[in-house]
Amino acid sequence: GAGVSQSPSNKVTEKGKDVELRCDPISGHTALYWYRQRLGQGLEFLIYFQGNSAPDKSGLPSDRFSAERTGESVSTLTIQRTQQEDSAVYLCASSPRTSGRARTETQYFGPGTRLLVL
Amino acid sequence: GDSVTQMEGPVTLSEEACLTINCTYTATGYPSLFWYVQYPGEGLQLLLKATKADDKGSNKGFEATYRKETTSFHLEKGSVQVSDSAVYFCALSLGSDSNYQLIWGAGTKLIIKP
Repeated sequence: GAGVSQSPSNKVTEKGKDVELRCDPISGHTALYWYRQRLGQGLEFLIYFQGNSAPDKSGLPSDRFSAERTGESVSTLTIQRTQQEDSAVYLCASSPRTSGRARTETQYFGPGTRLLVL
Repeated sequence: GDSVTQMEGPVTLSEEACLTINCTYTATGYPSLFWYVQYPGEGLQLLLKATKADDKGSNKGFEATYRKETTSFHLEKGSVQVSDSAVYFCALSLGSDSNYQLIWGAGTKLIIKP
């Protein structure tokens, strides 16, 4: 189908290593979001890209986290020097931004990347 | 700060029972409110939404009304089915294009027994 895809689906890494997570949004969707979901908790906003505007990075928990997006396509979330508390499911979502108001838009989610830091 | 509080789960009901999952929020400004659902083995998907006070969102027999006076957005369904078993998330969104925030509840797991 033409949904949001994420890779890898699962990632196991050792503490201190860097990891890179990938998100392919739905074609034509200008807005892209990254979230973190720890076990038994709600989603935690990380970062938001909208077209060519400067991203809203207000949710990134530390400077070990960074994300990039080229134009309106693929995004990568990088976690440097991973820690055990980074273990979570990382979710990506996109939205078409047809209404001009981000806060009313429906977001379409990918299946997530389950990260385990040993 | 802005937050969403929803009923703790799991909630276990028999098929055809009546469902209410409570959701209340605190927010500065005028949020939009959402219910998302995550079926077993699937990704999150929008169930319904309301973008202003007194709006009612509805989908698949579920309803929720945006109540500004009680800052609530409770999810209701008159007769649940086994296929409704899932985790339900209440969320609110605030802000503008350049300063966007989506804030989520912790999720409520719903189990429907035949």
